[in-house]
Amino acid sequence: GAGVSQSPSNKVTEKGKDVELRCDPISGHTALYWYRQSLGQGLEFLIYFQGNSAPDKSGLPSDRFSAERTGGSVSTLTIQRTQQEDSAVYLCASSLWRRGLGETQYFGPGTRLLVL
Amino acid sequence: SQELEQSPQSLIVQEGKNLTINCTSSKTLYGLYWYKQKYGEGLIFLMMLQKGGEEKSHEKITAKLDEKKQQSSLHITASQPSHAGIYLCGADSGGSRLTFGEGTQLTVNP
Repeated sequence: GAGVSQSPSNKVTEKGKDVELRCDPISGHTALYWYRQSLGQGLEFLIYFQGNSAPDKSGLPSDRFSAERTGGSVSTLTIQRTQQEDSAVYLCASSLWRRGLGETQYFGPGTRLLVL
Repeated sequence: SQELEQSPQSLIVQEGKNLTINCTSSKTLYGLYWYKQKYGEGLIFLMMLQKGGEEKSHEKITAKLDEKKQQSSLHITASQPSHAGIYLCGADSGGSRLTFGEGTQLTVNP
């Protein structure tokens, strides 16, 4: 079946502009995650959505970052007033979710963001 | 917070050789995941380990979780150029998020 898809695959923007990154999770997966992978920082958690529960935003680095998930499926990560340090690969993952049990997260190909 | 340390950071081997990558946690592991990443691509799930002493294999890759559940190893037998990439271990950090190690860059020379 189809895996996690992300768009765009690459994005180049100017400092100060806003960007939107999209994630389509695997059908039927109720949990959705955003991570960021940058040089020297490794892979870091940003935000987590599970069903209709309030998202876990504890990994967002600043209030310029926000994300929403519409209809329990597609998610959009928005970065306002981009800065050069926002340049990174943004990865989305989805999983089934069962309370108290770990479930494998399946990752999309990522969006490579470059802020000039 | 939980930290994962991977070793080595990079590894260059000749095709056909065996190799091992280690992942050590600062806390007890309740779910340990191994992923592989190639440049420009997302993470490909390899295996998940949960029980102390657990061992899983897929093709020529074997992963183990030690009895104390604080260290995992990934072993590749008879490596091939297709095994090249970055290997990442990830652990459940509570709230379903994963904490990742820095990764091990594997190069397999033909």
